[in-house]
This record gives sequence, C-alpha cells and structure tokens, in this order.
Amino acid sequence: DAKTTQPTSMDCAEGRAANLPCNHSTISGNEYVYWYRQIHSQGPQYIIHGLKNNETNEMASLIITEDRKSSTLILPHATLRDTAVYYCIVRGFSGGYNKLIFGAGTRLAVHP
Amino acid sequence: GAVVSQHPSWVICKSGTSVKIECRSLDFQATTMFWYRQFPKQSLMLMATSNEGSKATYEQGVEKDKFLINHASLTLSTLTVTSAHPEDSSFYICSAEDRRFGETQYFGPGTRLLVL
Repeated sequence: DAKTTQPTSMDCAEGRAANLPCNHSTISGNEYVYWYRQIHSQGPQYIIHGLKNNETNEMASLIITEDRKSSTLILPHATLRDTAVYYCIVRGFSGGYNKLIFGAGTRLAVHP
Repeated sequence: GAVVSQHPSWVICKSGTSVKIECRSLDFQATTMFWYRQFPKQSLMLMATSNEGSKATYEQGVEKDKFLINHASLTLSTLTVTSAHPEDSSFYICSAEDRRFGETQYFGPGTRLLVL
C-alpha cells in the first residue's frame, strides 16, 4: 500500500480557506486518494476521493498533481466545526479487498 | 448518503465476559465491512475485513479467536470480543463499503469499550 505523508498539525482562521497537503509519491496508477476526517470521539467522516482529476463536492475540493505524487484538500471557508484530524489515505487493494490504512493524519485547528 | 450505525455506543463489562458489537448499514447493502480499533491519541488500526457469507480476514497480529466476526447479512456484521480483558478497552469502529459510490467506505460512530 502506498504510504502518505501529512503535516502533524495546522492552524486556520475561521472563514479562511484551509489547504491540507498530502504526499503519496509511491502511489500506483489505479490507486485512489481518499480523505476522511475524525472529530473527537466520533467515527471518521468521508470527505472526498479522486484518482487523477480534481474533484469538488459540497464539503471540499481535492487537487491532485499531474504526476499524482501529491494532493491538497481544500476547505474553502473553514468553520470552528471543521476542527478535526484529517486523514489522507491511498486506498490499496490487498487480499481481494479495498483497504484503508490510516496514518497519523493532520490535526487541523480552526480558530476564531 | 450512506449511513452506518453501531450498537451499543458504549459498554462497560467485567473482565472475562464477552461483548458483542453490531454494525449495520442502514440505507445500503454492504457485501464488505471492516472493523477497526483505536486507542487513545492513536490512529485507527484495521483489525479485519468481514465479507457476507464467508469467514473474516484478519490483519496480522489480530487474534481471530479473540475477536469473532460474523457477517450474516448484507446489512449486519457483528464483532464479539471474547473473554475481554482490560487491555481490550478501546474504541471499536466499523465501516461498510458502498458499491454505489465507487466502493467508498462509510464509518459508524464507534463503540467505546471499557473492561474493568
């Protein structure tokens, strides 16, 4: 499974865009990049995923570089409720199943 | 969207007893479900993959006789922690794979287990 590297923590002012980077230099051609977040004491929440193209939904945008070795999750207008641990995961196929292997993630703190 | 529930949300039990945790996909059928464990201030660790109608596949280091998984239907998987001990105290989280959305995994809210 391709590993990901994320900053340990980031800060963002409320109302500003939060840009969370992720490196996945060993990603394979058919592996997807997934983003989840976990608010304290809850199960992870799906945010967005992509393969090659940039993606946008009601929660966020995902920008994937052309060589697919890195990506950025963008929360366009961060709110206090976006404070969470954000996980960037390259979904691998192992033993016949699509597995998500969680790293340490980025702890995003949104402040007033 | 895809909704996954877990029951109970928290449980306290005595050492040596067994505890069953249920994971349900509420608005979709899930051939494959996953079980994770999370200790305080750590990330999620995949324990096993549960496939409807077949035996679960366990990750290396996870005792299959300790953590019994049954995926009896397309909407229900159960995890039974047998002969629980204090070191089994943890946050147990399940996820279900929704093939309507590119096999994206959706997570339950988690079950907090405390073994006294």
